[in-house]
Amino acid sequence: DAGVTQSPTHLIKTRGQQVTLRCSPISGHKSVSWYQQVLGQGPQFIFQYYEKEERGRGNFPDRFSARQFPNYSSELNVNALLLGDSALYLCASSWRLGGTEAFFGQGTRLTVV
Amino acid sequence: DAKTTQPNSMESNEEEPVHLPCNHSTISGTDYIHWYRQLPSQGPEYVIHGLTSNVNNRMASLAIAEDRKSSTLILHRATLRDAAVYYCILRDGQTSYDKVIFGPGTSLSVIP
Repeated sequence: DAGVTQSPTHLIKTRGQQVTLRCSPISGHKSVSWYQQVLGQGPQFIFQYYEKEERGRGNFPDRFSARQFPNYSSELNVNALLLGDSALYLCASSWRLGGTEAFFGQGTRLTVV
Repeated sequence: DAKTTQPNSMESNEEEPVHLPCNHSTISGTDYIHWYRQLPSQGPEYVIHGLTSNVNNRMASLAIAEDRKSSTLILHRATLRDAAVYYCILRDGQTSYDKVIFGPGTSLSVIP
């Protein structure tokens, strides 16, 4: 079975540009979450979506947005990129909210120069 | 927001048991205790989760204190492949709006 897939795996952008990251959850999973992980720190929660609705939001500026499609895949958009946005962006899927286990993708490494 | 605290780092000898502690004094009645681990350059990997009773799976065991304010992840025989950062987090099993908080985790070193 395919796990959580994220694309692209690596990305280099310039300050001020916009970026879109993509995530395909495990088949049958209806919840997708996004995390930002800076080197040496734990993942920081950005968004959670369930059944195409936002069901959780972390402490990130409005430059960060996301959406979930009818096939439960998801996109994370970041506008007006800053150097501090350089990080590993992780997507996790689970079959529902809350107590069930989440399965993470390998992440997208974003470098802003 | 519920939070957990873990030691920053721990060491273990190969083939010996490892007990990784986690404190979660503000846990609510509907919070599940989850453990994940992350190897270098990889996404976190699910290890185990539980609510009240101790849990076992092929990877590890989870021992939950009677008052649920602490838990311990037990690796029965550490191998070099178990060297990773281990995260203990809480997830509300009944929420319709979720916010997940990861701490810095425990970096486990396994000595050959």
